[in-house]
Amino acid sequence: NAGVTQTPKFQVLKTGQSMTLQCAQDMNHEYMSWYRQDPGMGLRLIHYSVGAGITDQGEVPNGYNVSRSTTEDFPLRLLSAAPSQTSVYFCASSKWGAAAFFGQGTRLTVV
Amino acid sequence: AQSVAQPEDQVNVAEGNPLTVKCTYSVSGNPYLFWYVQYPNRGLQFLLKYITGDNLVKGSYGFEAEFNKSQTSFHLKKPSALVSDSALYFCAVSFTGNQFYFGTGTSLTVIP
Repeated sequence: NAGVTQTPKFQVLKTGQSMTLQCAQDMNHEYMSWYRQDPGMGLRLIHYSVGAGITDQGEVPNGYNVSRSTTEDFPLRLLSAAPSQTSVYFCASSKWGAAAFFGQGTRLTVV
Repeated sequence: AQSVAQPEDQVNVAEGNPLTVKCTYSVSGNPYLFWYVQYPNRGLQFLLKYITGDNLVKGSYGFEAEFNKSQTSFHLKKPSALVSDSALYFCAVSFTGNQFYFGTGTSLTVIP
C-alpha cells in the first residue's frame, strides 16, 4: 500500500522561484490537506480540500495555491518562494471522522 | 478560535516507568481528539483517537489516552516506557476529520 506519496523529498529554491509540491493518495479519501511544520509551532494547516474541485484556505494560506482536479492528487504551488516558506511540508488524506494519513514530508529550503 | 496546548516541550522518563504526555484543548463543540507520533525525518503516524464513549482510549504500541471533558484534557499515557518510544508526540483536534489543529508537540526521551 502506497498510502500518501509526496514528491520531492528535498528541494532548494531561490527567492522568487516557483514550484509545485506533489501529493497523491491511493486510499480513495475524500479529504486532503497540506500542512507546514516549523520548530516550536507544530503543524499548521495551509489549504484543504473536501473533494475534487473543492478547496479552501487554512490557517496560513498566503503564498500558496492548490487545486484538486482528481480525488487522488492535491498539488501545492508556491507562487514566488520566500525565505519564510522554508519549512517541512506534509500532505495528509482522511475520511470524515477518521485519522489522517500523512506523507513522508518535503523539506524545502528557500535561499 | 481553536487551540491545542501541549504544556511540556520535553518529557524525560526512565525506561520501564510510566509516562504521561499532556494535552489540553480550547475549542467550541465536541471535537474528535487524536494523538500522533513522529519519528525523526518521518511523517506523522496515528496512535489513537477519541470520538465518543469510554473516556479511556487504547491505541497502538501500548499507548492509551484519557479524555476528561470537564478539564478539556486528553493526556497520553503508557504504563511502561520503552527506549523506542522516544519521539515527538502531537495532540490534535478535528471536527470534520479534514481540518486538524495541532499542538506544538512534546519531545519524549526514554532514558535506558
